[in-house]
Amino acid sequence: AQTVTQSQPEMSVQEAETVTLSCTYDTSESDYYLFWYKQPPSRQMILVIRQEAYKQQNATENRFSVNFQKAAKSFSLKISDSQLGDAAMYFCAYRPGNTGGFKTIFGAGTRLFVKA
Amino acid sequence: NAGVTQTPKFRVLKTGQSMTLLCAQDMNHEYMYWYRQDPGMGLRLIHYSVGEGTTAKGEVPDGYNVSRLKKQNFLLGLESAAPSQTSVYFCASSYGRSVHEQFFGPGTRLTVL
Repeated sequence: AQTVTQSQPEMSVQEAETVTLSCTYDTSESDYYLFWYKQPPSRQMILVIRQEAYKQQNATENRFSVNFQKAAKSFSLKISDSQLGDAAMYFCAYRPGNTGGFKTIFGAGTRLFVKA
Repeated sequence: NAGVTQTPKFRVLKTGQSMTLLCAQDMNHEYMYWYRQDPGMGLRLIHYSVGEGTTAKGEVPDGYNVSRLKKQNFLLGLESAAPSQTSVYFCASSYGRSVHEQFFGPGTRLTVL
């Protein structure tokens, strides 16, 4: 069975600094997708970034980038130039490819604090 | 566009009572999902639907039923609520599976006493 592990329950970063959130996953499949979601205090789940497993190039969305290490089954999120609005819970998620099931596996989350 | 909306936002039930959570989306998405979120855990899939009139079980389906009579609506029912069903419930929809983004509703906080 697939699993997603976020080993950092909480992280803290100074405004304008860079922080990296860790995520590891376990799967025997070769076709899958990985996501990072942000959940601010409003509870709204917001997609931050996604990565297709077949792509070697790391995904980037403005200040957000990932370090995707397929062999190590690692998918970390780097937030550059951190802003107060980045404070939230961040969830790493795994989803199988089109020949797999519909179950999206979420990690337990990392709460990010941003200090002014 | 409203996106994905959920009704109600909060609810308190007594053990054994029943209720229905309503999810509506205006994006013409085929796929819809119900998740629950418990403290210290990520979201877990309860049931999902791949189109109007179809439903399927997810990871934690026991104690819940769903219906998708209209493409834009996905209902989650609790026939006899239990304290273990105290949770935050999220509905989501997507155009397709796998790579396609899931759009989430604002959540419903349910407490069962």
